[in-house]
Amino acid sequence: KNQVEQSPQSLIILEGKNCTLQCNYTVSPFSNLRWYKQDTGRGPVSLTIMTFSENTKSNGRYTATLDADTKQSSLHITASQLSDSASYICVVPTYKYIFGTGTRLKVLA
Amino acid sequence: AAGVIQSPRHLIKEKRETATLKCYPIPRHDTVYWYQQGPGQDPQFLISFYEKMQSDKGSIPDRFSAQQFSDYHSELNMSSLELGDSALYFCASSPAGLAGTDTQYFGPGTRLTVL
Repeated sequence: KNQVEQSPQSLIILEGKNCTLQCNYTVSPFSNLRWYKQDTGRGPVSLTIMTFSENTKSNGRYTATLDADTKQSSLHITASQLSDSASYICVVPTYKYIFGTGTRLKVLA
Repeated sequence: AAGVIQSPRHLIKEKRETATLKCYPIPRHDTVYWYQQGPGQDPQFLISFYEKMQSDKGSIPDRFSAQQFSDYHSELNMSSLELGDSALYFCASSPAGLAGTDTQYFGPGTRLTVL
């Protein structure tokens, strides 16, 4: 069964701190993995796309990693800001989007 | 850059009423996806259209129907509304109908509340 699981389910950190979100998937066939950021009550916004051959990709303070062998991905947020408070969703497409369970991040001042 | 437009942004209906949600994709995007997201849940795929034809169907109730028009905008029609239909409804668009490879760009969503 195609599944995408994320951890932790929720996370609270202080402004300026770093954090890492995890995504494990059992999706086949695999072509790419995407991280989306979703602010409360808004639509998800694409942060990064990882293809099979990519191990690391950065987008500003966001750095995604992918280990296709272990079927794991992580999203590292550096020097967190209050505006990083959102849900982060890992998506692994097959013929449709398979959404992860999401991680709710709260950044406190 | 133009984004996906959804209207209305908020909608309040009574039980058993009908509702129509509209989605205007990014220009030159010919594929539209509809999702339903309940509180604290990940988006659930409802239905998609490619070049005005239904391309995939997910967990869309029989009370709901959708179509894509010649200008590529799409409408989700919901009838006999139930309390459980209260959710955020997202529309996403992509350029070429390849769900596995194309990035889906999500709209801001329509928050439907059924009283």
